[in-house]
Amino acid sequence: DQQVKQNSPSLSVQEGRISILNCDYTNSMFDYFLWYKKYPAEGPTFLISISSIKDKNEDGRFTVFLNKSAKHLSLHIVPSQPGDSAVYFCAASEGNYGQNFVFGPGTRLSVLP
Amino acid sequence: DAGVTQSPTHLIKTRGQQVTLRCSPKSGHDTVSWYQQALGQGPQFIFQYYEEEERQRGNFPDRFSGHQYPNYSSELNVNALLLGDSALYLCASTYPGPGSNEQFFGPGTRLTVL
Repeated sequence: DQQVKQNSPSLSVQEGRISILNCDYTNSMFDYFLWYKKYPAEGPTFLISISSIKDKNEDGRFTVFLNKSAKHLSLHIVPSQPGDSAVYFCAASEGNYGQNFVFGPGTRLSVLP
Repeated sequence: DAGVTQSPTHLIKTRGQQVTLRCSPKSGHDTVSWYQQALGQGPQFIFQYYEEEERQRGNFPDRFSGHQYPNYSSELNVNALLLGDSALYLCASTYPGPGSNEQFFGPGTRLTVL
């Protein structure tokens, strides 16, 4: 049973437009969420995180929104750039002190020039 | 400052064999986690080592075992390899302290079991 779901395996967006990647989770004990980006032949790279006490966190072009009642989070990238083309993983954990992460299956984002 | 390093990069084994994968954490990090990423899936947590002991374990059989050395480097051992063990094995390290939930990943070891 997948506790973290990313229902869109792939997404294509035009350069300069907004990319919205979605993630749903089932475990109500999750209270810390992260997004990782992965390029081929590299390990995942941390992008942005959010604690359950917040509903929004911004870092430059990246914003993560958390809707706890819907057990849903989303990553917005504005404006999208060709270098953003990668696989994006949503991850969740119980607590924010070294607990293991549960990852979703990933969404492949393609930003078209 | 070197990030997380893993060796070897690629490995081919046959069913029933044993394999050892190695990981050196990022400088200053003391906690090492191992993940298995099958094709088309997200990484799945295998176990985490802290202070040379297994602190947490995911849903993996006892064929998967590990070790952490005093210098914080770590090994993942898999015995009696199965075809289904073919995957990318990722190591991640974390710096000590509360709120230290950002894990830094290495590039992974691609294991192929024939």
